[in-house]
Amino acid sequence: KQEVTQIPAALSVPEGENLVLNCSFTDSAIYNLQWFRQDPGKGLTSLLLIQSSQREQTSGRLNASLDKSSGRSTLYIAASQPGDSATYLCAVRPFYNQGGKLIFGQGTELSVKP
Amino acid sequence: EAQVTQNPRYLITVTGKKLTVTCSQNMNHEYMSWYRQDPGLGLRQIYYSMNVEVTDKGDVPEGYKVSRKEKRNFPLILESPSPNQTSLYFCASSLSSPPQETQYFGPGTRLLVL
Repeated sequence: KQEVTQIPAALSVPEGENLVLNCSFTDSAIYNLQWFRQDPGKGLTSLLLIQSSQREQTSGRLNASLDKSSGRSTLYIAASQPGDSATYLCAVRPFYNQGGKLIFGQGTELSVKP
Repeated sequence: EAQVTQNPRYLITVTGKKLTVTCSQNMNHEYMSWYRQDPGLGLRQIYYSMNVEVTDKGDVPEGYKVSRKEKRNFPLILESPSPNQTSLYFCASSLSSPPQETQYFGPGTRLLVL
């Protein structure tokens, strides 16, 4: 059974720092991995999608990497800003499930202090 | 603007009173699904739809119904809501079925069943 874990559960950093969020999954048989951002009480905004054949994806100050064999992904945020404060969720699309569901981690709550 | 919309955004109801949460996407996506998000349990898939008139159960379908009569709409129906269905609900869509690309999420519907 696929399980997704995100560590740490919460992170507080001063503005301007570069930071890394971690995501691990137990089964390497995945189609893809997606990183989302969720603001309090709000919906999920897709940040980056990495297909299983890819190693990384970049969008602006964000860079996500995928090491499928070790079951790990990282989300790197450069030069963090207070507006980056949110909960970050990673989710994998398992290969075995044809229903297309995503299996989510519990999230990392990020706070960037001015 | 390409988006997934949900209505209502907030709803308070009483046990047993039938309700429908609507979901609509304007991206001509084939795949749509519903999730619920609960503290400590994360996001779990309720139902999904591969195309018009094709729906199937996710991980937590009990107490819910769906229909997909048109490609753009995927309503979630609670025939007889109970307090354990109090949750934050998200609709998602993706271009292909099963989804190979980014899954886009709606803004969420917060439901309280008294």
